[in-house]
Amino acid sequence: GDSVTQMEGPVTLSEEAFLTINCTYTATGYPSLFWYVQYPGEGLQLLLKATKADDKGSNKGFEATYRKETTSFHLEKGSVQVSDSAVYFCALSFRMDSSYKLIFGSGTRLLVRP
Amino acid sequence: DTEVTQTPKHLVMGMTNKKSLKCEQHMGHRAMYWYKQKAKKPPELMFVYSYEKLSINESVPSRFSPECPNSSLLNLHLHALQPEDSALYLCASSLTRPAYEQYFGPGTRLTVT
Repeated sequence: GDSVTQMEGPVTLSEEAFLTINCTYTATGYPSLFWYVQYPGEGLQLLLKATKADDKGSNKGFEATYRKETTSFHLEKGSVQVSDSAVYFCALSFRMDSSYKLIFGSGTRLLVRP
Repeated sequence: DTEVTQTPKHLVMGMTNKKSLKCEQHMGHRAMYWYKQKAKKPPELMFVYSYEKLSINESVPSRFSPECPNSSLLNLHLHALQPEDSALYLCASSLTRPAYEQYFGPGTRLTVT
């Protein structure tokens, strides 16, 4: 079945460092791909999305490119801030009967130190 | 307005209690979802409503009973829960296409004593 694999965390970086969080997926067909972020004590917020191969999603300095050939959707940011500390979830959307499901990766905790 | 609201924010209930969680959105979304999230885990899908009809039940125990009274509201009725049901319960909504993202509420932190 469809699945998402994320790199294990926690990832600890100093402020202004470069961030990469790896995400690969297995899917039949062509799913839409998402990155969600969850700050402590809160729900999930959509960070960015891509709906077809070679699409690049971007938001708040974060970017991810839908790579069909490597089935990947890695999250990157050029210079992280302390406020980026959170848990990041990669997810894909696929159809089940008449509805659509999100399948999440296990999540990667990011800790940014001043 | 891209907001999904959930009440209450926190809930403590005994194993013999009956309580309800509420979720509301005014984005015109016709798909609504309940998720359960345990600490340090991703959300697990429980139920999906599409056009106010239950379309997915992920084999959730009958002590959880969802209800969708109209296109803006989603309830989760709780009865005879177990301590292991303690978790963050998240509601989400979306348009009814896979390319469209789900918008999540802040969640209800449930503790079963």
